[in-house]
Amino acid sequence: QQQVKQSPQSLIVQKGGISIINCAYENTAFDYFPWYQQFPGKGPALLIAIRPDVSEKKEGRFTISFNKSAKQFSLHIMDSQPGDSATYFCAATQMNSGYSTLTFGKGTMLLVSP
Amino acid sequence: DVKVTQSSRYLVKRTGEKVFLECVQDMDHENMFWYRQDPGLGLRLIYFSYDVKMKEKGDIPEGYSVSREKKERFSLILESASTNQTSMYLCASTTLGSSYNSPLHFGNGTRLTVT
Repeated sequence: QQQVKQSPQSLIVQKGGISIINCAYENTAFDYFPWYQQFPGKGPALLIAIRPDVSEKKEGRFTISFNKSAKQFSLHIMDSQPGDSATYFCAATQMNSGYSTLTFGKGTMLLVSP
Repeated sequence: DVKVTQSSRYLVKRTGEKVFLECVQDMDHENMFWYRQDPGLGLRLIYFSYDVKMKEKGDIPEGYSVSREKKERFSLILESASTNQTSMYLCASTTLGSSYNSPLHFGNGTRLTVT
């Protein structure tokens, strides 16, 4: 199984700051890169996703930056809030093979301090 | 809203017991998945199913089996539970074809402890 490497493992950011989580992949056939957010006691839920034909996607305070040549993508959370404290997983797959080949990163625990 | 319901939030079982983890989804999704979540290891796919009575191995199927007798229900079976199967188990579902607009929907997990 191709790996998706995620860093950092944990992150503490002050309220109002920018949270940045990075992921790198190996398989150039990947064509879908979602981010999932998981709150304590809950299952992960899709936060935002990007396809490799764009370099950036923004939804509110959340932005994915995608660098196809470097095979890297990152999640930026602007104006981070205590309610953003959660575990974040990046992932990658080839959509024509479905979610059966979705590979998750190992996760980043984000704590936003008040 | 899609709802994926896992029957137990917490389970404590003894080594060697046969354990059933149940998952039901209410959106008529064709695809269902079982993941295992461990600290520092992320989410790892155990088994998945694209249709009733159909199953495929994921990345870590050893020690597990599954059953899908009805479209809405997907069960994970630990034939003889071992302590290394202590973990959080997550069920997920999605529609056929898995398009960009059809994400995985997860249940809230079953935390299994094997003693």
